[in-house]
Amino acid sequence: DAGVTQSPTHLIKTRGQQVTLRCSPKSGHDTVSWYQQALGQGPQFIFQYYEEEERQRGNFPDRFSGHQFPNYSSELNVNALLLGDSALYLCASSWYRGRENTIYFGEGSWLTVV
Amino acid sequence: GEDVEQSLFLSVREGDSSVINCTYTDSSSTYLYWYKQEPGAGLQLLTYIFSNMDMKQDQRLTVLLNKKDKHLSLRIADTQTGDSAIYFCADRVDGYSTLTFGKGTMLLVSP
Repeated sequence: DAGVTQSPTHLIKTRGQQVTLRCSPKSGHDTVSWYQQALGQGPQFIFQYYEEEERQRGNFPDRFSGHQFPNYSSELNVNALLLGDSALYLCASSWYRGRENTIYFGEGSWLTVV
Repeated sequence: GEDVEQSLFLSVREGDSSVINCTYTDSSSTYLYWYKQEPGAGLQLLTYIFSNMDMKQDQRLTVLLNKKDKHLSLRIADTQTGDSAIYFCADRVDGYSTLTFGKGTMLLVSP
């Protein structure tokens, strides 16, 4: 049973460019959340997708957008990249309708903006 | 808003017990989680506790929750060098499974 998978693992972008990160949730999970973890900090919640809709959003600008597909996988898009967007981006999956309360994370995508 | 605080660093000897502490501010917390992060890796779920419980044991891990003081602790028995990592406490308040994290506690286990 595959856990949460994310791609790409590492990437380098230039200021002003756009990036797309991808996540496949754990089998059986229907909810995907995205977090940003800056160096030396705890993860910060960006947004959450359920039933292909953005259900909750943290304190992040509109440059951060996302999408969820019918198979529950998700994308995170960041436009007009800034140096401060350099971070580890983590995807978390959970099961909204389930009784279990586990929330699993992927290995993350390391984004460096130069 | 919600806030989760952790001490930043803990150093123990192999074989000793480690206790990592966490405090949170939101009295509406439903579940509290502990995650482990090794260098360059994602977050590994260690355990979680429902806010109506005061203790949960899972092999070498014991979680204690004092809801009145909003204090959570993670005890690792017989700590091994492989336990060296950053440990995050996270608070879940709403029904949407969003988490608020502390800044993490770096655990260093020396032989």
